Amino acid sequence: QVQLVQSGAEVKKPGASVKVSCKASGYTFTNYYMHWVRQAPGQGLEWMGFINPSGNSRGYPQKFQGRLTMTRDTSTNTDYMELSSLTSEDTAVYYCARDNSVVDNNGNAGWWFDPWGQGTLVTVSS
Amino acid sequence: SSELTQDPAVSVALGQTVRITCQGDSLRKFYASWYQQKPGQAPLLVIYAKDNRPSGIPDRFSGSSSGNTASLTITGAQAEDEADYYCKSRVSSAYHWVFGGGTKLTVL
Repeated sequence: QVQLVQSGAEVKKPGASVKVSCKASGYTFTNYYMHWVRQAPGQGLEWMGFINPSGNSRGYPQKFQGRLTMTRDTSTNTDYMELSSLTSEDTAVYYCARDNSVVDNNGNAGWWFDPWGQGTLVTVSS
Repeated sequence: SSELTQDPAVSVALGQTVRITCQGDSLRKFYASWYQQKPGQAPLLVIYAKDNRPSGIPDRFSGSSSGNTASLTITGAQAEDEADYYCKSRVSSAYHWVFGGGTKLTVL
């Protein structure tokens, strides 16, 4: 079955970096984009960015520009999300999620995230 | 605007019908998808491309869209439907995505 398995919980000090992995199985890895989403404690979901199927293109919102790096290892079907210059506000559960999309007969487009990884808790604390 | 707006909380009596809405300019151009999240769990896709259900999602879940508003309807809500629900859509001006703030559904 299609599955995304993420690496385990991390505890980091302010100013450090964290790298979370997401290993895919059950589908052709190089046919799909991957997205990363995070959720701070008690808060909603926040889209962080995507990496394209070949791993040579990414898209991040402005707030993460300069400290977020997404990479892809097609030899192991694994995506990585690295966030640097961590602060307490980066404490969150980080999810990877596979992209899916469609354009219907009316020319309308939609994208959805499925499946999701199980999540990785990153705690930033001194 | 790149925002999606949801009511923070909605309640429904057991077995009744509830509609959760999501408003945003991007919904005039792009379909929304909907995610259910229970405490301590990863989000689960329940509706995609406006009104499609993934396999395994009960048919009491349905989606619709009109103008700048997407809706998730649960017909005959069950106790196990109590969860947070998030809409998501692409931003109009870029290949970026945004989630609504989420709606906490309580089944009474």
